[in-house]
Amino acid sequence: GEEVAQTPKHLVRGEGQKAKLYCAPIKGHSYVFWYQQVLKNEFKFLISFQNENVFDETGMPKERFSAKCLPNSPCSLEIQATKLEDSAVYFCASSADRNTEAFFGQGTRLTVV
Amino acid sequence: GNSVTQMEGPVTLSEEAFLTINCTYTATGYPSLFWYVQYPGEGLQLLLKATKADDKGSNKGFEATYRKETTSFHLEKGSVQVSDSAVYFCALSNTGNQFYFGTGTSLTVIP
Repeated sequence: GEEVAQTPKHLVRGEGQKAKLYCAPIKGHSYVFWYQQVLKNEFKFLISFQNENVFDETGMPKERFSAKCLPNSPCSLEIQATKLEDSAVYFCASSADRNTEAFFGQGTRLTVV
Repeated sequence: GNSVTQMEGPVTLSEEAFLTINCTYTATGYPSLFWYVQYPGEGLQLLLKATKADDKGSNKGFEATYRKETTSFHLEKGSVQVSDSAVYFCALSNTGNQFYFGTGTSLTVIP
């Protein structure tokens, strides 16, 4: 597609439940990025992929967060045993090449209650 | 390491006023620089970009020049409109593994 598609738009989970977010990058884009937006403005980097390979995972809280980008499937970000502090908007972005602009999806708002 | 420092907001301007939002960066090598805009409830939209020193990015009346000597990429617009009210983010990409964002500057334009 011509835009980054994120689903669902909103997700509500009880504390301790699992949350799974999906991202379909723009067709032909090799790079996918996940960011968490908290406190209204701050963007926290989570993980990036080059095709199906993890490129940089320095931002991932590995004990509960995992992500995949498999061929012919949307990318996914999964949070096991959600905590209240995981409440945020999660953005996915894709880019065609290294250091070129990234195109962002509309985000998934996760609320943990 | 890589980082972006952006002027604190919020910024409130009257319609047709001149806008400057300061952005400075720290990076090794030759990063690409970007300005993104976020409207309420939406994702980031690319506003403009510059990939090498002295490049000027421009779009919708906004401009920013990549200044390597001052490590800056300040955003300017000569005459803002109410529809420009949004949050503006300066960002850089260096080795392509991630984008580094500033903390965002909220702009409100009043009629």
